[in-house]
Amino acid sequence: GESVGLHLPTLSVQEGDNSIINCAYSNSASDYFIWYKQESGKGPQFIIDIRSNMDKRQGQRVTVLLNKTVKHLSLQIAATQPGDSAVYFCAEAGGSNYKLTFGKGTLLTVNP
Amino acid sequence: DVKVTQSSRYLVKRTGEKVFLECVQDMDHENMFWYRQDPGLGLRLIYFSYDVKMKEKGDIPEGYSVSREKKERFSLILESASTNQTSMYLCASSPHLPTQYFGPGTRLTVL
Repeated sequence: GESVGLHLPTLSVQEGDNSIINCAYSNSASDYFIWYKQESGKGPQFIIDIRSNMDKRQGQRVTVLLNKTVKHLSLQIAATQPGDSAVYFCAEAGGSNYKLTFGKGTLLTVNP
Repeated sequence: DVKVTQSSRYLVKRTGEKVFLECVQDMDHENMFWYRQDPGLGLRLIYFSYDVKMKEKGDIPEGYSVSREKKERFSLILESASTNQTSMYLCASSPHLPTQYFGPGTRLTVL
């Protein structure tokens, strides 16, 4: 079946550096993608979304890039802070019921 | 801000007990969801509801039931709790598909 996965299970960066978290998807029919952040012991928090008719979308300190040719999604976090330490996972949706399929997640650790 | 609340953050129950997990959203959303999250397995959809009194099975409905009597409240019921239902349970609410906003989660332990 179709699935969403992540290239790297863990990522460690220095405070102030930029972080890039990657996600590969396999369902070419997916037309909507979301990034979530989940801190330890908490529920996932919506960060940013992007539709398949876009290549890039920017939020506050975050940018999501979508490359439909290679079915790749990335989340860029500028000037990473200790509060950004969390698990990040992507989700994709498509079809008539827009059911979300979630990736397993990448653990981002920010070192002071 | 979207606010999704869950009745308990931590819950400990015994095998065979009937367990109720409550979820409330205050944004008049039509769509609500229940997931469980387990290490290595990610988020898996148990049930969802598109409107009051409407429910549809997700990927892993076995051992669970749900109730949506009011728009703002979506309840997950474990009829007879078992140890393999020990998990983090997450409720989500959606103003328009597919965007979903999650509650803080309930960590359920079944002894």
